[in-house]
Amino acid sequence: QKEVEQNSGPLSVPEGAIASLNCTYSDRGSQSFFWYRQYSGKSPELIMFIYSNGDKEDGRFTAQLNKASQYVSLLIRDSQPSDSATYLCAVNLLQIQGAQKLVFGQGTRLTINP
Amino acid sequence: NAGVTQTPKFQVLKTGQSMTLQCAQDMNHNSMYWYRQDPGMGLRLIYYSASEGTTDKGEVPNGYNVSRLNKREFSLRLESAAPSQTSVYFCASSEQGRDEKLFFGSGTQLSVL
Repeated sequence: QKEVEQNSGPLSVPEGAIASLNCTYSDRGSQSFFWYRQYSGKSPELIMFIYSNGDKEDGRFTAQLNKASQYVSLLIRDSQPSDSATYLCAVNLLQIQGAQKLVFGQGTRLTINP
Repeated sequence: NAGVTQTPKFQVLKTGQSMTLQCAQDMNHNSMYWYRQDPGMGLRLIYYSASEGTTDKGEVPNGYNVSRLNKREFSLRLESAAPSQTSVYFCASSEQGRDEKLFFGSGTQLSVL
């Protein structure tokens, strides 16, 4: 079993709807959780991070964490065509001397249809 | 402020050739990383450097070596390239801390024939 699992998609959502992206992880010792967005041919960029159970909102984005179920999700409200990208879930398994050993899922490709 | 700069952007090698990927950051970050990205595999950590003078293996270190030349620069060397090393390579840096984000370079597309 991969340490971080995502549905690779593609996930197709109509413009204006809510896009829901899911991620599960295997290590209960995981400390913090990140969502990165990657446009085709570009490098990843951080959207949000979360480390406490519950929801964290930032504009149209909401990250949800359930450590008991080892589940983290990202909701995108009022989806726009510019949200079309691959979304990478990353889990921080360990910090060594301040560096982060992130383990990434395989990414979910999201397409927003106008 | 350039952020994280990687060179080259593209490279084609023959099996058995060697090369070094260069990475430099101008954000005064202590930690630097090398990832590879293959289709359907996400990003996998090759090596990282928590601070100047230290380097450690990540998930997939075989076939690679690294050098943390100074606080700014972290290079990745392929001593004898293999077709399995065909990939997109990303360098990244971060501040130290649990929730610090990674800043990525623009990537190097490497093909080994």
